[in-house]
Amino acid sequence: GNSVTQMEGPVTLSEEAFLTINCTYTATGYPSLFWYVQYPGEGLQLLLKATKADDKGSNKGFEATYRKETTSFHLEKGSVQVSDSAVYFCALTKLSGGSYIPTFGRGTSLIVHP
Amino acid sequence: GAVVSQHPSRVICKSGTSVKIECRSLDFQATTMFWYRQFPKQSLMLMATSNEGSKATYEQGVEKDKFLINHASLTLSTLTVTSAHPEDSSFYICSARGTGAFYNEQFFGPGTRLTVL
Repeated sequence: GNSVTQMEGPVTLSEEAFLTINCTYTATGYPSLFWYVQYPGEGLQLLLKATKADDKGSNKGFEATYRKETTSFHLEKGSVQVSDSAVYFCALTKLSGGSYIPTFGRGTSLIVHP
Repeated sequence: GAVVSQHPSRVICKSGTSVKIECRSLDFQATTMFWYRQFPKQSLMLMATSNEGSKATYEQGVEKDKFLINHASLTLSTLTVTSAHPEDSSFYICSARGTGAFYNEQFFGPGTRLTVL
C-alpha cells in the first residue's frame, strides 16, 4: 500500500535558520504530493503541492520538489520565522480504481526560537 | 474559495451520550468528504470516506455502529459518536475533496475537540 515517511521531530531552529524536513513516499504510479501545516488547536492548511515529477511547489517561502527518482518531497525554507512554528504533514493522494486515497505522514513539529 | 467549516469546534459531554459533529463545504459541492481522528502529537488517522447519497466506507478497525456518518447533501456530512466514552476523546477533523481543477486536493475543516467525561 501507499505510505509516507517523515523525519521525526521536533525540529528546533533559531529564527532565520535554514529548514529542511525530509519526506519520502511509497506508492505505485504517479501520486500527487502535498505539504500541510497545522497550527496549535487548528485544522490543516494546504501549504504547497506538486502533481507530477520535477514539479516544484512553493508558498510563503517554503518549497518542495517532487523527485520521483528518489521518491522524495522534502520541504525547505531559507529563513524561518517564529510564526512558522507548527506541525507539518507530508501527504500523498492516489487515484486507484476510481477511488481517491489520501495517505499522511506522522507529522513533524517545528519550533522556531527568536 | 474552498472553505470547509465544522461545528461545534469544542464539545464536552458525559459518558454514554451521543455527539454529532457537522462538516460543511461552504462555497463548493463536495461529493466526497473524509473524517479523520487525531490523537495528541500524532498524525491523522483516516476513519471513513463519506460519499454523498451512499454509505460511508470505513477504514479497518473503525466501528461503523460507533461512528455513524451521514452525507445527506453535497455540502454536509455529519459524524455522530454514539454512546461516547472517555477513550473517544480526541480531535476530529473533516475534509472535503475538491472539484474541477481541485479534484485531487482536500480542503480541511478547523477540527472539533471532543472531550468525554
